[in-house]
Amino acid sequence: AAGVIQSPRHLIKEKRETATLKCYPIPRHDTVYWYQQGPGQDPQFLISFYEKMQSDKGSIPDRFSAQQFSDYHSELNMSSLELGDSALYFCASSSGQGRNEQFFGPGTRLTVL
Amino acid sequence: GNSVTQMEGPVTLSEEAFLTINCTYTATGYPSLFWYVQYPGEGLQLLLKATKADDKGSNKGFEATYRKETTSFHLEKGSVQVSDSAVYFCALESNYKLTFGKGTLLTVNP
Repeated sequence: AAGVIQSPRHLIKEKRETATLKCYPIPRHDTVYWYQQGPGQDPQFLISFYEKMQSDKGSIPDRFSAQQFSDYHSELNMSSLELGDSALYFCASSSGQGRNEQFFGPGTRLTVL
Repeated sequence: GNSVTQMEGPVTLSEEAFLTINCTYTATGYPSLFWYVQYPGEGLQLLLKATKADDKGSNKGFEATYRKETTSFHLEKGSVQVSDSAVYFCALESNYKLTFGKGTLLTVNP
């Protein structure tokens, strides 16, 4: 069965650079969620989209933005990168909102030097 | 706000030992509860879930019961295997987003 695809899997950036993370949800899933997991930490909710509209926002810095496109894939744009942005970024998708299971991708490991 | 508290690790067990990882939660309303597992270098996989009080979620020999009276969702397995070594996260879903506990590292030795 198709799973959530994230690219790239690994990314190394310098401070103050920008990064774009991509997420391709499971086919026919219309909801995408982004989570950030710092080293040894639990995943923290960043932002979510339902039917291409932002549906909720968590602890996402103003330097980050995201959107969901017409084909339901999503991109997380991160600017003015800081050392503290180094983390594993997970995307999850679900069919609709509510109590539907969120399926997680393998994550993108971002390292900021 | 919502929060999840799970027992701190690491937990080290011998193969075939009994496992319990405690999880309690604070939430408004009636959230769904989940256990996710993260194997080294991999993403999060849903292990089991329960959507209402007294529901029991089970998968691969693991089980957890949604206890509203004690706001708990403890994970148990009767006989762990080396392949169960991973980080386990308890989570609740409310308002369409997940709130995770800090994770518990389980190491099972042969």
